[in-house]
Amino acid sequence: DTGVSQDPRHKITKRGQNVTFRCDPISEHNRLYWYRQTLGQGPEFLTYFQNEAQLEKSRLLSNRFSAERPKGSFSTLEIQRTEQGDSAMYLCASSFGQGWNTIYFGEGSWLTVV
Amino acid sequence: TQLLEQSPQFLSIQEGENLTVYCNSSSVFSSLQWYRQEPGEGPVLLVTVVTGGEVKKLKRLTFQFGDARKDSSLHITAAQPGDTGLYLCAGNTGTASKLTFGTGTRLQVTL
Repeated sequence: DTGVSQDPRHKITKRGQNVTFRCDPISEHNRLYWYRQTLGQGPEFLTYFQNEAQLEKSRLLSNRFSAERPKGSFSTLEIQRTEQGDSAMYLCASSFGQGWNTIYFGEGSWLTVV
Repeated sequence: TQLLEQSPQFLSIQEGENLTVYCNSSSVFSSLQWYRQEPGEGPVLLVTVVTGGEVKKLKRLTFQFGDARKDSSLHITAAQPGDTGLYLCAGNTGTASKLTFGTGTRLQVTL
């Protein structure tokens, strides 16, 4: 499978715990995006990388959230001191090239904070 | 804030019927994409439209981008149960491919 892959697909955690999600983009895609989607809503942009540089962060990304893409390939999204409001699907996507280009989404990582 | 409003929010139809989903904004988009999403899965790209007035056909699905690039529509002919899902439009205004998603249209097609 050469699509965007995310791990884990599902995570249940207790409030206050830290969680980390991993995303492997489509090979050679230089841009990588993180989105969050809650039930009944469309995805909302969180942040994106061009290669290893994090170029934009949404104000939705509180200081408990941190994303990295250390070698310009896979990325991690860490949520510290999780809250119930963090329960959502976290979607990763990737695209190739400069300017606008079609972005392709992974299957998402479902987070439930109890 | 760029908002993309979709209508209707929910649609339940019988197999064989036709339907149209609308995606409207006050903002101009350089491109617009339509996705279909099933429960617990990520959005799957259906089409990208980039030119005002552009019409694209994908089997029974017809996508149109408005002349002013502020709105789009998705028309499905002879809907089938396999068309059931959440349909999302998403617009891009800049050069970074960052998408603003619509509110979604949940379609259910029954036998």
